[in-house]
Amino acid sequence: SQQGEEDPQALSIQEGENATMNCSYKTSINNLQWYRQNSGRGLVHLILIRSNEREKHSGRLRVTLDTSKKSSSLLITASRAADTASYFCATATNQGAQKLVFGQGTRLTINP
Amino acid sequence: EAQVTQNPRYLITVTGKKLTVTCSQNMNHEYMSWYRQDPGLGLRQIYYSMNVEVTDKGDVPEGYKVSRKEKRNFPLILESPSPNQTSLYFCASIHTGTQTEAFFGQGTRLTVV
Repeated sequence: SQQGEEDPQALSIQEGENATMNCSYKTSINNLQWYRQNSGRGLVHLILIRSNEREKHSGRLRVTLDTSKKSSSLLITASRAADTASYFCATATNQGAQKLVFGQGTRLTINP
Repeated sequence: EAQVTQNPRYLITVTGKKLTVTCSQNMNHEYMSWYRQDPGLGLRQIYYSMNVEVTDKGDVPEGYKVSRKEKRNFPLILESPSPNQTSLYFCASIHTGTQTEAFFGQGTRLTVV
């Protein structure tokens, strides 16, 4: 079953602009994670936010979590062409990390 | 270097011919998982394993088998592949310390004709 749903499905912006992607989920979670996937390659973990956290930063990444709305957002500031990729949110429930459930992803294109 | 290794990267096979996709991790993780990725459907979990000899079904287990005889290896077996199993497959190894994180292999693109 799909837990996370990303919005938008595709996003195209100019280099230097900020990119915001959203994720909604349905059930209670232990944590929410964001991953990046370059075309056809394996996913790479970007950042994790726990259910008792509201905001987290890592370099140019900022993640927020609103458990009352069951939603999260990923902000990439000062985008670069190398940020072009698909971004996925994944939720981990109290069942354990082995049950990470991924959304369908947002395809981000940064135009030079 | 910490890594998850899948083989093969690409495979074209015929309907009904048994195949195995191997997955190995060098991080001593207890948890491992298989996903398939299809356009418009994202990643869907096929099977997962919480430890040696402990496996369980994910969301789309039909047509697949797995085994976990050793901690580092988690092969995916297709006993009788069908065209609807044409997909991109990923193995993941999951760290469950203070920072839960999944490490993915590079993927196996399988085509069943």
